[in-house]
Amino acid sequence: AQTVTQSQPEMSVQEAETVTLSCTYDTSESNYYLFWYKQPPSRQMILVIRQEAYKQQNATENRFSVNFQKAAKSFSLKISDSQLGDTAMYFCAFMKPLFGANSKLTFGKGITLSVRP
Amino acid sequence: GAGVSQSPRYKVAKRGQDVALRCDPISGHVSLFWYQQALGQGPEFLTYFQNEAQLDKSGLPSDRFFAERPEGSVSTLKIQRTQQEDSAVYLCASSQGQEQGGYTFGSGTRLTVV
Repeated sequence: AQTVTQSQPEMSVQEAETVTLSCTYDTSESNYYLFWYKQPPSRQMILVIRQEAYKQQNATENRFSVNFQKAAKSFSLKISDSQLGDTAMYFCAFMKPLFGANSKLTFGKGITLSVRP
Repeated sequence: GAGVSQSPRYKVAKRGQDVALRCDPISGHVSLFWYQQALGQGPEFLTYFQNEAQLDKSGLPSDRFFAERPEGSVSTLKIQRTQQEDSAVYLCASSQGQEQGGYTFGSGTRLTVV
């Protein structure tokens, strides 16, 4: 079974600065996907970024980038130029792909990020 | 619709009452998931449908939980004889094909059992 660990319960960052959210995971799989999802107070989970384990290059989406260290089973999210709208809970998630079907996500406990004006 | 719609948004149930939570996925989306999110925790998988077929129900915590998707579109999660530990947000997610985790989530139903 896979586990996802987010050990920081909350973090705070000044607007326009950079913040890094940590995540570690445990799996015996060689092929898998990792994700960061954002959950604002509206409760809707929104995909921030996705990383495929077989790709060595770190994924980037505008102000969001990851540091994927496969051997260390570490997957951190860096948010650059933080904005007030980034205030939310952030969840790290793991997925083992299945052939011919979609697969469930395994989430960490999440981290509350507050961006200060 | 434009997104995944869940209703009701809030539900208060007395202990022992049966409840039904509805998920209306994006039109044409084949896959549908239900997750349970306890307060201060990450979502936990309950069950997965591909069209009308329930391919995985390994996450349902007890036989009081039942999900269906009879026509491959709208899904209902039913909880019988609710207990306080059932209090949580129930999230629904859908995808068109093999999105490899990039699912569209609804805003959930917050269930409070009193």
